[in-house]
Amino acid sequence: DAGVTQSPTHLIKTRGQQVTLRCSPKSGHDTVSWYQQALGQGPQFIFQYYEEEERQRGNFPDRFSGHQFPNYSSELNVNALLLGDSALYLCASSAGEVTEAFFGQGTRLTVV
Amino acid sequence: AQTVTQSQPEMSVQEAETVTLSCTYDTSESDYYLFWYKQPPSRQMILVIRQEAYKQQNATENRFSVNFQKAAKSFSLKISDSQLGDAAMYFCAYRSPLGETSGSRLTFGEGTQLTVNP
Repeated sequence: DAGVTQSPTHLIKTRGQQVTLRCSPKSGHDTVSWYQQALGQGPQFIFQYYEEEERQRGNFPDRFSGHQFPNYSSELNVNALLLGDSALYLCASSAGEVTEAFFGQGTRLTVV
Repeated sequence: AQTVTQSQPEMSVQEAETVTLSCTYDTSESDYYLFWYKQPPSRQMILVIRQEAYKQQNATENRFSVNFQKAAKSFSLKISDSQLGDAAMYFCAYRSPLGETSGSRLTFGEGTQLTVNP
């Protein structure tokens, strides 16, 4: 079992650009959540996808959007990047709401 | 909204000794779940231990145990016989019960950086 996999591991973008991050959930998991972790802080919930729909959303602007595919994999899109978007983006998967969340290794996004 | 507070930004412990990490939370819910996650330099968040609020018995996983005080809204993690591999950032996290609108989202504290000295 490969667990939760995220790509890419590192990314450097210029302010104003757009970025797409990808996540493949653990086998058997159908729910994907995304978190933003700024340096030295705890992760902050961005949104959660289940059955290809956004089910919950945290306090993030509309520049942050996502998608879930029929195979349960997910993408996180961020438009009009700001310097403050620089962070570690974590993906977590679970089976509905029953099990604990399993996390990927994250994507380190740097906006310059 | 729920909040989680970890008041110890950094802690250190000697190898083989015991250390306790503190966590307090605020909620109006009566049923919920609490977790401790470990984040080593590899960045991957690893579940250490979980506690269901309806269970009075404190959870234990090998060298890791919790002291869950529901009335005080306190959830501390005790690591016994500390090992060099325990060095990491530790996060306390809260989750609402199943079926609630906040669903399975996790609310994290700010973390405690644990150093283990040989």
